Amino acid sequence: DTGVSQDPRHKITKRGQNVTFRCDPISEHNRLYWYRQTLGQGPEFLTYFQNEAQLEKSRLLSDRFSAERPKGSFSTLEIQRTEQGDSAMYLCASSLVWEFAGELFFGEGSRLTVL
Amino acid sequence: KQEVTQIPAALSVPEGENLVLNCSFTDSAIYNLQWFRQDPGKGLTSLLLIQSSQREQTSGRLNASLDKSSGRSTLYIAASQPGDSATYLCAVPNTGNQFYFGTGTSLTVIP
Repeated sequence: DTGVSQDPRHKITKRGQNVTFRCDPISEHNRLYWYRQTLGQGPEFLTYFQNEAQLEKSRLLSDRFSAERPKGSFSTLEIQRTEQGDSAMYLCASSLVWEFAGELFFGEGSRLTVL
Repeated sequence: KQEVTQIPAALSVPEGENLVLNCSFTDSAIYNLQWFRQDPGKGLTSLLLIQSSQREQTSGRLNASLDKSSGRSTLYIAASQPGDSATYLCAVPNTGNQFYFGTGTSLTVIP
């Protein structure tokens, strides 16, 4: 298994455009997380999925953000009408959870720059 | 809400020195605590996971301890090397399984 993969690694867009990021978790992992990280800060939670169900969303996640995980496999995070404040690293992580939180494994991240 | 603090924010040491990084958290009702390493512009690499029932976990030159009652964890790095230079983050999950991260300790090991 090659671990968690994210695509694209870098995205530069103009304000107002829509962008979509994809995350492929470790194949047997049932839980998938999205985090956002800005320079000098720790990752901030955005949302997570248990299989295909989106169980929790951060209040930081405005209506312009939407995430899906069809069939409990890969996930997409879409940002509509991007703003300069959306510029950040978007990190995906997956884990195998039976009862409690399992070990998190992260991808390399997708860096978004909004001009 | 869980608050996670890491001290120091930055650390610079000569090669070969042993060092300790600190992580504190406000809510002691945790299931586990995880330490990560992050290189500039990269994702996070898992170093050690300590379950709430454990007090220590070791991997090579790394040793992590956990004291739930005092809300503290330490990451001990023995015989530091320039390749250890990175930012080290700790994370704890809450009961809803959302992970809270500290802002990290930026480590520089000078050859």
